[in-house]
Amino acid sequence: AQKVTQAQTEISVVEKEDVTLDCVYETRDTTYYLFWYKQPPSGELVFLIRRNSFDEQNEISGRYSWNFQKSTSSFNFTITASQVVDSAVYFCALSEALRFSDMRFGAGTRLTVKP
Amino acid sequence: GAGVSQSPSNKVTEKGKDVELRCDPISGHTALYWYRQSLGQGLEFLIYFQGNSAPDKSGLPSDRFSAERTGGSVSTLTIQRTQQEDSAVYLCASSATGMSYEQYFGPGTRLTVT
Repeated sequence: AQKVTQAQTEISVVEKEDVTLDCVYETRDTTYYLFWYKQPPSGELVFLIRRNSFDEQNEISGRYSWNFQKSTSSFNFTITASQVVDSAVYFCALSEALRFSDMRFGAGTRLTVKP
Repeated sequence: GAGVSQSPSNKVTEKGKDVELRCDPISGHTALYWYRQSLGQGLEFLIYFQGNSAPDKSGLPSDRFSAERTGGSVSTLTIQRTQQEDSAVYLCASSATGMSYEQYFGPGTRLTVT
């Protein structure tokens, strides 16, 4: 069965620090998709990234970067030079592409960036 | 607007009453999802629609919960005989096609059962 673990419940950093949010997943499928979503205090989830299981290249988007490593079943998310506006709950999610099934979300990591 | 909309934004109901929550997905999105998020918790999958059919209802917590989608667009989640443990934020999302595509979420309906 698919499973997503975000071991860090809460993280607090000071503005301009770098921070990495961990995500470890379990799946028996060889084809799957991984996602990160941001849920700011307003409550609406915002899509950040989707990666498929065949593409292990790291991705950078501005201050955000993602490290996908199949060998450790991890899909970690790093925010460089964090800002107060980055404060939110971040969810990692897994979708097994070969069947119509639910997207499994991790429990989320609450990131607080202090000025 | 262009995004997913949900109504009502807030609903307070008495235990035992029925409630209906509505989701209007992004135009053209064939897939629609319902999730539940309890206070401080992650997202719990409830049901998934592809068009008007629901191939996966495995997440519905009890037979008091039902959902339908008509015209491949608007969906309604109905909770009958509400219980206090049903209190949560109910989130709807839509995606262009199947599960492998990013989901766009609505603002949610906060349900409080007193």
